[in-house]
Amino acid sequence: EPEVTQTPSHQVTQMGQEVILRCVPISNHLYFYWYRQILGQKVEFLVSFYNNEISEKSEIFDDQFSVERPDGSNFTLKIRSTKLEDSAMYFCASSVRYEQYFGPGTRLTVT
Amino acid sequence: AQSVSQHNHHVILSEAASLELGCNYSYGGTVNLFWYVQYPGQHLQLLLKYFSGDPLVKGIKGFEAEFIKSKFSFNLRKPSVQWSDTAEYFCAALMHTGGGNKLTFGTGTQLKVEL
Repeated sequence: EPEVTQTPSHQVTQMGQEVILRCVPISNHLYFYWYRQILGQKVEFLVSFYNNEISEKSEIFDDQFSVERPDGSNFTLKIRSTKLEDSAMYFCASSVRYEQYFGPGTRLTVT
Repeated sequence: AQSVSQHNHHVILSEAASLELGCNYSYGGTVNLFWYVQYPGQHLQLLLKYFSGDPLVKGIKGFEAEFIKSKFSFNLRKPSVQWSDTAEYFCAALMHTGGGNKLTFGTGTQLKVEL
C-alpha cells in the first residue's frame, strides 16, 4: 500500500539555523499539507499546497516558513531561522481530494 | 472560529469493555469528519470517515462512528475493545470554508486498554 514518507525522522538544530524537512507524498495525490504537533498539544494545520501554489496557510505559517515542490515527488518545508518554539513533530500529508494520508512525522528539536 | 473538541483526554478500559469517545465540532456549513488513530511509535492512520449519506459509518478494526448533525457530534464507538486498541485517537473535521482542505483536529484521547 502506498505511503507518505518523511525524512529525517529526527532533526536536532540550533536556534537561528535553517532546516528543511522532506516529504514524499503518495504518487497520484494532488494536495499536500504540513501539520505540526507541539508536545502535549493538538495537531495544528500549517499549510496546504495544490497546483504548485499555497492554497491555504495558518497564522503560524509566517515568513519564516516556506514550502516547495522542487520536483515531481518531493514536498519540502523550510524553516528559515528556527526558534525554540518551533520544536515539534511535523507531519506531512497528501490527498487526492479530502481524505488525507499522513506520514510518520519528523521530530524537530531546536536547542 | 471553527473548532473540534474531544471531551475525554485519558480513558482506561478493561478488555471487552465498550468504548465511546466524544467529538464535537463548531461549524454550521458543510463538514467532513474523520477519526484518526496513532499507535505508539506510529503515524496517524485513518480509522473512518463521514462525507455524506448514512450517518452511521463503519471503519477498520470494528470501530464505528455516528454523525448527529443536530448535535454537531461525531462520536467514536467500539462494542468490545482489545488490548491492541491502546493508542491515541484524534477526531478531525474538514470544514468547507472555500480554503485548502485543512483539517482541524481535536486534542486527542489517550486510550489505554488493560488486560
